[in-house]
Amino acid sequence: NAGVTQTPKFRVLKTGQSMTLLCAQDMNHEYMYWYRQDPGMGLRLIHYSVGEGTTAKGEVPDGYNVSRLKKQNFLLGLESAAPSQTSVYFCASTPNPNEQFFGPGTRLTVL
Amino acid sequence: AQRVTQPEKLLSVFKGAPVELKCNYSYSGSPELFWYVQYSRQRLQLLLRHISRESIKGFTADLNKGETSFHLKKPFAQEEDSAMYYCAGGGATNKLIFGTGTLLAVQP
Repeated sequence: NAGVTQTPKFRVLKTGQSMTLLCAQDMNHEYMYWYRQDPGMGLRLIHYSVGEGTTAKGEVPDGYNVSRLKKQNFLLGLESAAPSQTSVYFCASTPNPNEQFFGPGTRLTVL
Repeated sequence: AQRVTQPEKLLSVFKGAPVELKCNYSYSGSPELFWYVQYSRQRLQLLLRHISRESIKGFTADLNKGETSFHLKKPFAQEEDSAMYYCAGGGATNKLIFGTGTLLAVQP
């Protein structure tokens, strides 16, 4: 089992560029989550999904979109990147809503 | 609103000293509480969950409903305990609420 994987590991974008972060899990988990981690702010939930084909907004959804077309994948999109979106992004999955398994993170810098 | 509070951003102790990382929660109903640990530049890992009442790497945490607290404790800190620790609460909302984290620095 690879567990939860994230692609890419690092990315540098210019303001206004778009990109998609991929989260994949091979544990057949129903629930998947996208967080951002910023110094002093802890982990903040961006969007989440309770099953294939479903998505819901978290605490800080603005500027991001997500899709869960396949159960094992959860995509996070930035349509027009802004410097405020510079962060470390973590994906997590779980068979129940509480104990979550995290990916290794994606470090994104927006110039 | 549901909330998890970690009042300390940084806790610095010497090796061998006791450690207590504070966590307070505000939840309606019966929350499930967790401690996650993140070692330098690594992914978050589950350390403890309150329902299992276990001890992992010498750490324990007891749910105190009267004080709405779930503090993480270890009697003798080790240098390898240095990490970021997050308290998190879950319930019937399909998601976890994380505290802002406490960085534990264990000095030699």
